[in-house]
Amino acid sequence: EAQVTQNPRYLITVTGKKLTVTCSQNMNHEYMSWYRQDPGLGLRQIYYSMNVEVTDKGDVPEGYKVSRKEKRNFPLILESPSPNQTSLYFCASTLGVGQGSDEQFFGPGTRLTVL
Amino acid sequence: EDQVTQSPEALRLQEGESSSLNCSYTVSGLRGLFWYRQDPGKGPEFLFTLYSAGEEKEKERLKATLTKKESFLHITAPKPEDSATYLCAVIGAGNQFYFGTGTSLTVIP
Repeated sequence: EAQVTQNPRYLITVTGKKLTVTCSQNMNHEYMSWYRQDPGLGLRQIYYSMNVEVTDKGDVPEGYKVSRKEKRNFPLILESPSPNQTSLYFCASTLGVGQGSDEQFFGPGTRLTVL
Repeated sequence: EDQVTQSPEALRLQEGESSSLNCSYTVSGLRGLFWYRQDPGKGPEFLFTLYSAGEEKEKERLKATLTKKESFLHITAPKPEDSATYLCAVIGAGNQFYFGTGTSLTVIP
């Protein structure tokens, strides 16, 4: 089954404790992305990756890191989480942008609470 | 700056009462406008992509249209199972996606 998976689905942590949210897709997609979703602000892109070893900042990259060492995986790293990073996070992938097949497939989401 | 604005924020319809959702956008070099459906606690689900003004796409009770400044999602004779949040997104000359804040649709039986 074609899908994007994220882990963990729920996470409660404390300020400053490093964490990683994993994302994996099995569709051989080139483009992968991380979003956060907050009430009243909608989905905002954190980082995106056009291909392996290529990553770029989105609108809200502060406090986050990413890496793309393999095509299928795109982990999101919070080196020192703070309460303002409490949010619902989504990973998404698409075949490519501007190629006529750029609908994004989204993961199920990770609800993060930073105390 | 690329921007997407959706209206209304919330919409309540009686079953069978047709209506439209609006998505207005400002983007440099539009390369695609997307509609997604999102159910509570789940990731967005793709509905449509529109690429150029005048384009229309349909799927069951939904029809999406695109002009140079906005897109409409028309819902004909909605059913309670159409209740969800509908999201609009664009991609422009850059490689970033920009989403609106969504329209929360409730269809009352």
